[in-house]
Amino acid sequence: AAGVIQSPRHLIKEKRETATLKCYPIPRHDTVYWYQQGPGQDPQFLISFYEKMQSDKGSIPDRFSAQQFSDYHSELNMSSLELGDSALYFCASSLVLGDGGGEQYFGPGTRLTVT
Amino acid sequence: KQEVTQIPAALSVPEGENLVLNCSFTDSAIYNLQWFRQDPGKGLTSLLLIQSSQREQTSGRLNASLDKSSGRSTLYIAASQPGDSATYLCAVRGIQGAQKLVFGQGTRLTINP
Repeated sequence: AAGVIQSPRHLIKEKRETATLKCYPIPRHDTVYWYQQGPGQDPQFLISFYEKMQSDKGSIPDRFSAQQFSDYHSELNMSSLELGDSALYFCASSLVLGDGGGEQYFGPGTRLTVT
Repeated sequence: KQEVTQIPAALSVPEGENLVLNCSFTDSAIYNLQWFRQDPGKGLTSLLLIQSSQREQTSGRLNASLDKSSGRSTLYIAASQPGDSATYLCAVRGIQGAQKLVFGQGTRLTINP
């Protein structure tokens, strides 16, 4: 079965640089979520998209932006990178059913290291 | 604001023991609860999903229960094996907004041979 695809899997950037993370959801899933997991931390919600429209926003810095494209893939753009942005970034997708009971399926994550 | 707490933070047991991991949440307005496994530096593997209308789910040696009214869930692991060593995270999906997952801090489990 198709799973959530994230690219790249690993990324090394220097401070003040820009990074773009990509996510390809499971086909026919209508919602994409981005989560950030810092070292030793639990995953924290950043932002989500439902049918290509931003649906919710969490603790996402203003330096970050995201969008979902017509083919449903999503990109997380991170500018002016800081050392504290080093983390695992997960993308998840789901079907938001009428009762909201859909399971969220997670990609393998992108490990971003800022030096 | 939903808060999820997992107890204990770490657990070390000998191989073969049955064990229980606990998860509590403050807002009972949830759609479902998921248990995940995470190996060090790796991704999240979904173990069990319990809908808010369900009381428990089973998969192999794993059994998860949900008491939505009291804001509690447990993950029962039978006949533990060294390969079960990992961090176990529970996460609840709220009914507000885009129904994002709110995670607990996890229980780091070590099974000693």
